[in-house]
Amino acid sequence: SAVISQKPSRDICQRGTSLTIQCQVDSQVTMMFWYRQQPGQSLTLIATANQGSEATYESGFVIDKFPISRPNLTFSTLTVSNMSPEDSSIYLCSTWDRYSGELFFGEGSRLTVL
Amino acid sequence: QKEVEQNSGPLSVPEGAIASLNCTYSDRGSQSFFWYRQYSGKSPELIMSIYSNGDKEDGRFTAQLNKASQYVSLLIRDSQPSDSATYLCAVSNNNDMRFGAGTRLTVKP
Repeated sequence: SAVISQKPSRDICQRGTSLTIQCQVDSQVTMMFWYRQQPGQSLTLIATANQGSEATYESGFVIDKFPISRPNLTFSTLTVSNMSPEDSSIYLCSTWDRYSGELFFGEGSRLTVL
Repeated sequence: QKEVEQNSGPLSVPEGAIASLNCTYSDRGSQSFFWYRQYSGKSPELIMSIYSNGDKEDGRFTAQLNKASQYVSLLIRDSQPSDSATYLCAVSNNNDMRFGAGTRLTVKP
């Protein structure tokens, strides 16, 4: 399984600011996913990020609010723009083993917006 | 209708008992099914995967899949306090993965 590192692990942000979360994988992967997990809730898929193409966003998520970069096969970033308290959540980067179908997660980035 | 449904719990069982967790899904095109365990403040970790109808056993864990009924379950035998966590059912159609809301399990010593 791939080892996935995320940073920051946690941050406290002011309303109206933006924060970029970085995700580094120790091997080349085609598909990377970004999930959000709000307090007490399950995981919600934000977008799928494939290298060399624009990210595909799920219903309710837009590129202006959650721009994603995927410059190569081992790295991706998610930016949470113009944050509000409703964006307080854990954001998780994940990769997919297409042969087994298993999804592997980074440690998560816990954002608190004041 | 939610794509993946689970009872949110909490489910409480005594140590040594069998814990039974259930999940239903709506997409008949789903191919792969997973159970993840998530401790508080941690990211999910995979504990079981199942791809075909029937039972799959791994140690104290048994996953059961019935595609006709669109039903997946996880049995934990000889439950331990360390099994106390939230269990997430996940379903994949090989394009993406959808998660249930999770069932919170508490195993009491």
